[in-house]
This record gives sequence, structure tokens and C-alpha cells, in this order.
Amino acid sequence: DTEVTQTPKHLVMGMTNKKSLKCEQHMGHRAMYWYKQKAKKPPELMFVYSYEKLSINESVPSRFSPECPNSSLLNLHLHALQPEDSALYLCASSQEGTVGYGYTFGSGTRLTVV
Amino acid sequence: KNEVEQSPQNLTAQEGEFITINCSYSVGISALHWLQQHPGGGIVSLFMLSSGKKKHGRLIATINIQEKHSSLHITASHPRDSAVYICAFRQGAQKLVFGQGTRLTINP
Repeated sequence: DTEVTQTPKHLVMGMTNKKSLKCEQHMGHRAMYWYKQKAKKPPELMFVYSYEKLSINESVPSRFSPECPNSSLLNLHLHALQPEDSALYLCASSQEGTVGYGYTFGSGTRLTVV
Repeated sequence: KNEVEQSPQNLTAQEGEFITINCSYSVGISALHWLQQHPGGGIVSLFMLSSGKKKHGRLIATINIQEKHSSLHITASHPRDSAVYICAFRQGAQKLVFGQGTRLTINP
């Protein structure tokens, strides 16, 4: 299995809703990432988990809450989002501990906040 | 000034043409990534290279570490090559620094 699987592919939520994005990989990668991408812009890093511990939080608002239940799963819990949070949310994974390894990206969840 | 600059930002070509996308960076790096993103879709990693040249099918990537420059070439371009191509490098242990991307359109 050489994929990163993200669910759902599309999500529409109201500003008072609580929802979660899910990311799964079975490549044994120990680093997992959440990125946010607005239209026609490069991805922006949100969070990095390394060996199931949060290692980077790029000053993301608390309405986004990451969770790494085990080495294969990464969740992003969403609560009280704003319309400007509408974007493509990408998950990625990589080997940890060396710069010699590449990244594998998921196909993303397109989030619309109404 | 961005740490990674790509050119051109947009490129339209006819099917069959030879395509070159350039990436220049301003810091020392150990490896550079070329990524492909189709409209509305996820990102596919095309190449990771630290020296010389790599080839995969019709795609060729080159890098000159001393010049801090990399190029992505597509031979015999096809409409299915239409996508955004992004170069990126790893900063520190885990963070990727992305270029702004080159939007490529291949017309039949």
C-alpha cells in the first residue's frame, strides 16, 4: 500500500458544526502532516506529527484540532469554522529522521464552510 | 523575496511540444522535490533529486546544486500533462517550502 487516503473527499459544514477529517497511511511513515491550500496558492503547513507526537503547529487557530491516535491515522477536528476556512485540506506522510525520503500526499478534502 | 522562485507562472503549449519549467532557490538544500497537482486534486510527487538528472517516462528533472537551479522537462507533451507543477525543498527536519507553482496547459 503506497497511498495516503483522505476522507471525506468533499465536506460542507455550517459555522456551528463539528466535523472531522481523516487521513490514513500504511506505509510505515512516522511523520504525518496537515496542509491547507487556497485556490491558486501553494499548500500552507498547519501541523506535523512525528512518532505520534505533535512536533509543529504553525500558529493554527484553535478551531482546528489535530489528533494522531496511532502511527497510521491522523485526524483534523473542526469546530466553529469561518467561511474563510474553506479550502482544500491535504494530508501527507514521509519517513522520519532523514532528508533523503520523499513525501506522499493524499487527494485532499475540499471543505466549504457556509 | 521568496526562497523558491518558479518560472514561468503560466505556460500554454500545443500537444507535442517540449516543455521546460524552471525553479531557482536561494538557500543551501540537500534535495529538491518536483510535485504535480491536477485541478481540484491531490499532489503527486514526481521527483526528489539532490544532484544530476532523473528521468521517468516523458519527464526529466535536472538540478545544479552550485547554481541553485532545477528544471523540469516534459517531452512530447500531451493534454493530460496539464496541471500545476510545484518545486519544493525541505527546510529543517520536516517543513517543505513550496514554490508558487507553474500552471501548464497543453492544447490538443
